[in-house]
Amino acid sequence: NAGVTQTPKFQVLKTGQSMTLQCAQDMNHEYMSWYRQDPGMGLRLIHYSVGAGITDQGEVPNGYNVSRSTTEDFPLRLLSAAPSQTSVYFCASSYSSRESQYFGAGTRLSVL
Amino acid sequence: AQTVTQSQPEMSVQEAETVTLSCTYDTSENNYYLFWYKQPPSRQMILVIRQEAYKQQNATENRFSVNFQKAAKSFSLKISDSQLGDTAMYFCAFMNGSNYKLTFGKGTLLTVNP
Repeated sequence: NAGVTQTPKFQVLKTGQSMTLQCAQDMNHEYMSWYRQDPGMGLRLIHYSVGAGITDQGEVPNGYNVSRSTTEDFPLRLLSAAPSQTSVYFCASSYSSRESQYFGAGTRLSVL
Repeated sequence: AQTVTQSQPEMSVQEAETVTLSCTYDTSENNYYLFWYKQPPSRQMILVIRQEAYKQQNATENRFSVNFQKAAKSFSLKISDSQLGDTAMYFCAFMNGSNYKLTFGKGTLLTVNP
């Protein structure tokens, strides 16, 4: 089992560029989520999904889009990157929404 | 909205000693779950322990145990026989049982000294 796999590990973008952060899990987990981690802020929920075809907003959804076409994948899209989106992004998954979440290794994103 | 407060930004402990990390939360929900996660310098988020709010018994995982005081909305983590590998940032987290959103505290940086 690979667990939760995030790609890329590092990315530098220019303001206004778009990109997709990939997240895949091979544990047949229904629940997947995206967080951002900023210094002194802990982790904040961006979007989450309780199953294929179902997504919902978290605490800080603005500037990000998600979709969940398969159980395995939950990509996070930045449509027009801004410096305020410089952060470390974590994807997580769990068997159900009540269970403990497994985290990926994170993606460090810098927007210049 | 739920809030999670970790009042100790940094703590240190000597190897083999015991340390307690504090966490309080604010919610009007009766159905919820509480977690402690560990983030070592590798940045990987690792689950330490989980507690269901409806369970009165405090959760225990080897050297890690919690003191869950539901009325006081307190969820502290006790680490016994501290080891150098316990050095990490520790995050307390609250999951709302209605919408399953996970809210994290800002973390406590624990340093275990030899």
